[in-house]
Amino acid sequence: QVQLQESGPGLVKPSETLSLTCTVSGGSVSSGSYYWSWIRQPPGKGLEWIGYIYYSGSTNYNPSLKSRVTISVDTSKNQFSLKLSSVTAADTAVYYCASAGVVPAAISLWGQGTLVTVSS
Amino acid sequence: QSVLTQPPSASGTPGQRVTISCSGSSSNIGSNYVYWYQQLPGTAPKLLIYRNNQRPSGVPDRFSGSKSGTSASLAISGLRSEDEADYYCAAWDDSLSGDVVFGGGTKLTVL
Repeated sequence: QVQLQESGPGLVKPSETLSLTCTVSGGSVSSGSYYWSWIRQPPGKGLEWIGYIYYSGSTNYNPSLKSRVTISVDTSKNQFSLKLSSVTAADTAVYYCASAGVVPAAISLWGQGTLVTVSS
Repeated sequence: QSVLTQPPSASGTPGQRVTISCSGSSSNIGSNYVYWYQQLPGTAPKLLIYRNNQRPSGVPDRFSGSKSGTSASLAISGLRSEDEADYYCAAWDDSLSGDVVFGGGTKLTVL
């Protein structure tokens, strides 16, 4: 079955760019009508949708983060990635990669999540 | 401030039936399906209900969802200790370019 695994630095300095990668195993990032997504959860708080890249390559981002977010796909590595620029302490969170089928809100598969702390 | 509004907490005793509400607007719940997620402590969320009231394979029929107008509810019957978790509602929102919106989450305690 398809599995997702996040990877990337656990500590990022303020004003720098947070970069995470999600490796897709057991399936292909370029096949099927999937929305490859990123969601985050600040410590002790609720879920916040960051955005997705559709299997066709189109993207859609949370309006509140849109100016700082880029989601891309590397089909040769079967991965998709998140870049969040100009981070502050408010961006400290567990970041989940996930996939949704049919519609973006139907998130049926989640990675285990990775904690990213923004601190100098 | 979440776009969808949920009570921060709910509780019940084993065997009871509890409901968790989720309130939205015409641009999200009012015009799109509602999804519910269960997040057990220290784990990633799991899809519990899709398309308002459908259960993915493996989800017990003790869990049920409903929607009316701009509100939705998750009901858990025959409450069990392992149901203690955070529950989130979600929906697509048609405003601006469209995005996924979540409720703030409800922490369910089994007394």
